[in-house]
Amino acid sequence: AQSVTQLDSQVPVFEEAPVELRCNYSSSVSVYLFWYVQYPNQGLQLLLKYLSGSTLVKGINGFEAEFNKSQTSFHLRKPSVHISDTAEYFCAVSRMDSSYKLIFGSGTRLLVRP
Amino acid sequence: DTEVTQTPKHLVMGMTNKKSLKCEQHMGHRAMYWYKQKAKKPPELMFVYSYEKLSINESVPSRFSPECPNSSLLNLHLHALQPEDSALYLCASSQEEGTGTYGYTFGSGTRLTVV
Repeated sequence: AQSVTQLDSQVPVFEEAPVELRCNYSSSVSVYLFWYVQYPNQGLQLLLKYLSGSTLVKGINGFEAEFNKSQTSFHLRKPSVHISDTAEYFCAVSRMDSSYKLIFGSGTRLLVRP
Repeated sequence: DTEVTQTPKHLVMGMTNKKSLKCEQHMGHRAMYWYKQKAKKPPELMFVYSYEKLSINESVPSRFSPECPNSSLLNLHLHALQPEDSALYLCASSQEEGTGTYGYTFGSGTRLTVV
């Protein structure tokens, strides 16, 4: 079975500071990896995904993530955050051999302060 | 059109009511999904439709009944719900079944309150 762990339930940060949101996963098979963002009272928007190839993945809104197979991690980073980045961020995985199901982590609330 | 549209955005229903949630996409996606998201929790998969046929039912109670009338439309019929069914119901679609190359496109959800 697959599982996703987001250890930080909330990350407060000041505007224009860098941020890293941590994600670790567990799986006995190869997986695809995703980061989604959810703004209040809205659905989920795909930030970026790792399918194969380069381990550094760039996404929308200036976010990037690095896949580390040995540490089974897929941490999300942004060099300088804005107030508008305040939202819930979900890391998710799906099996490569049966990828219909996204398994989400518990989410990290990014709170950007002025 | 790159959106998944869900209606209504909010719904309040009694435990004896029958209501339906609607989801529509015009991206030519052939797989559609229902997810349930409780407050402060991640989304959980309920159903998968692939080429208009039910592909996956994640052991969802029969008071939730999905329907896929055509390749663009997905409904979720609700009957005799319980207060604990109150949640945000998210619809998603993908080009083919599975997250594969393109991932899912999610709608903005229907916030359901059962009273």
